[in-house]
Amino acid sequence: DAGVIQSPRHEVTEMGQEVTLRCKPISGHNSLFWYRQTMMRGLELLIYFNNNVPIDDSGMPEDRFSAKMPNASFSTLKIQPSEPRDSAVYFCASRRLAVVTDTQYFGPGTRLTVL
Amino acid sequence: AQSVTQLDSHVSVSEGTPVLLRCNYSSSYSPSLFWYVQHPNKGLQLLLKYTSAATLVKGINGFEAEFKKSETSFHLTKPSAHMSDAAEYFCVVSDKAAGNKLTFGGGTRVLVKP
Repeated sequence: DAGVIQSPRHEVTEMGQEVTLRCKPISGHNSLFWYRQTMMRGLELLIYFNNNVPIDDSGMPEDRFSAKMPNASFSTLKIQPSEPRDSAVYFCASRRLAVVTDTQYFGPGTRLTVL
Repeated sequence: AQSVTQLDSHVSVSEGTPVLLRCNYSSSYSPSLFWYVQHPNKGLQLLLKYTSAATLVKGINGFEAEFKKSETSFHLTKPSAHMSDAAEYFCVVSDKAAGNKLTFGGGTRVLVKP
């Protein structure tokens, strides 16, 4: 299995630009999660989906952030407009079952730098 | 609400000596507990998990953790550190009240000296 795939691995952009991060979960997994990791705040859950439906987006910092999952094999996290404080590593994770005991598998992350 | 406290932000050990990473949790319900490892510039990898079965959990790479409800702890240990164990380790809690969401500790960075 290829694991969770994220693209791009690195993104450098200027303040005010739109940024789109992409994630392909493991085939057969029904839950997908987006996390953000910063030195100051550690790992934070932004949003998660079960069966392509957003379940909890309470972690999305503000309206500049949006996430979609148009099908079971693809999700995007968009930031528009981007700001320097959005600089972080963004991880996508997927899980086969929608139960607390099941393991989440993480992608390699996208390192975003907003200048 | 669930929460996790990792008591040490940094741990330094010599190769071949034991490793102990401390974790305390707070949960309103019977929690599931996880330890993840993150090597530099990599994603997170599951080391082991506790899901209300045996309290002593064995994971990959020789790591194990013991769930102690009375102490609300889930400390991670390894009898003999290897250079490849140098990484950041995260203790994670999840319970039904939190809607299947994971809450991460602040992380413990492990340095292994030759």
